[in-house]
Amino acid sequence: ETGVTQSPTHLIKTRGQQVTLRCSSQSGHNTVSWYQQALGQGPQFIFQYYREEENGRGNFPPRFSGLQFPNYSSELNVNALELDDSALYLCASSTGGGQGNEQFFGPGTRLTVL
Amino acid sequence: QKEVEQNSGPLSVPEGAIASLNCTYSDRGSQSFFWYRQYSGKSPELIMSIYSNGDKEDGRFTAQLNKASQYVSLLIRDSQPSDSATYLCAFQWGNYGQNFVFGPGTRLSVLP
Repeated sequence: ETGVTQSPTHLIKTRGQQVTLRCSSQSGHNTVSWYQQALGQGPQFIFQYYREEENGRGNFPPRFSGLQFPNYSSELNVNALELDDSALYLCASSTGGGQGNEQFFGPGTRLTVL
Repeated sequence: QKEVEQNSGPLSVPEGAIASLNCTYSDRGSQSFFWYRQYSGKSPELIMSIYSNGDKEDGRFTAQLNKASQYVSLLIRDSQPSDSATYLCAFQWGNYGQNFVFGPGTRLSVLP
């Protein structure tokens, strides 16, 4: 167990809806990164939040957005859901936003878009 | 385009053998590399990080990094059936290491 928690565990939505996923970072960690993992693929980096600001972003459209709160927990919001958004969404926390900071993953949220 | 290449496998080894997992990466400026293990239906768990050329050992695991060849590997000695999982290679890039790239993973099967 890494101390990183995510909610909900599973979620079913329909195309066009909006979804919010939540992540609580491990104690002592101030950085949260979000990933999308489709079945049979490696995690794809969505973005990273460091001290409440977006610090880095992968190749995802603007309908993927996020927030980080003063307690370093984070939300991932996805608008206008598409069928291809069905995936495991992972958050990972780490100390600091620099090189060499090991990331520890939460259990993930399984999103199904119908 | 930042990329990590891994042989998708499955790689099958007998119990007690050495499993060798390989990874190449595209960003010559990357400084930080990571190996994760992911069991089916679970999230990735960190096995090891490596930042300098050469070998780094932790128990039955040895990571090897060659920045000139843009190559990183993971050796698992005395492989156990419980090591059967998908192994993910990842690197950080960007001025502050704020971006991450994961490979597709190599599926390892350790046969009793």
